[in-house]
Amino acid sequence: EVQLVESGGGLVQPGRSLRLSCAGYGFTFDAYAMHWVRQAPGKGLEWVSSISWNSGYIDYADSVKGRFTISRDNAKNSLYLQMNSLRAEDTAFYYCAKDFSGSSWYYFDYWGQGTLVTVSS
Amino acid sequence: EIVLTQSPGTLSLSPGERATLSCRASQSVSSSQLAWYQQKPGQAPRLLIYGASSRATGIPDRFSGSGSGTDFTLTISRLEPEDFAVYYCQKYGNSRPMYTFGQGTKLEIK
Repeated sequence: EVQLVESGGGLVQPGRSLRLSCAGYGFTFDAYAMHWVRQAPGKGLEWVSSISWNSGYIDYADSVKGRFTISRDNAKNSLYLQMNSLRAEDTAFYYCAKDFSGSSWYYFDYWGQGTLVTVSS
Repeated sequence: EIVLTQSPGTLSLSPGERATLSCRASQSVSSSQLAWYQQKPGQAPRLLIYGASSRATGIPDRFSGSGSGTDFTLTISRLEPEDFAVYYCQKYGNSRPMYTFGQGTKLEIK
């Protein structure tokens, strides 16, 4: 059974940093692209960032470019999101999601349960 | 940048009725690059439809997707109590931005 488990969320002050992790289970982690998607409380879904199976291709939403860094450690079956210079508008549930494919960009066939990041002083 | 607009914002129906949800794109979207997700309160989204009309694994056949170009539709033929949720369409693919979500349609019990 495919499982994605996020961790690392919490309350952080504006301007500070936070690192999210996502552990993957039940599938060949290093064969698939992975993604981060966020959802502000009571709002819709917003794509944040994507990384190919071998980290050879990475992309970000304009809203986080230059502040967030996606990475992965295939040996640990883990995906990460380093979030710097956090703003109040970054407050959201952050979901990791598995791509249907490894090297191209398809739909998200599995999602984690999310971790809440709250940016507030 | 492609913008996806979903309508209606809220749809009020009764169990057993048919639901028709719309997703309109600001530019033409390949039908192979359109997905639908369901999200229930307190839960992560779940993939329903990909490639505009293919059901994901385990999705009941009362869910169907259709459309092409700029107009896509998710139809639920006979609503079950567990179908009341928020539904999102998504454009995916290699053109930047690679992923865009519609704002969602809330399907509520009448």
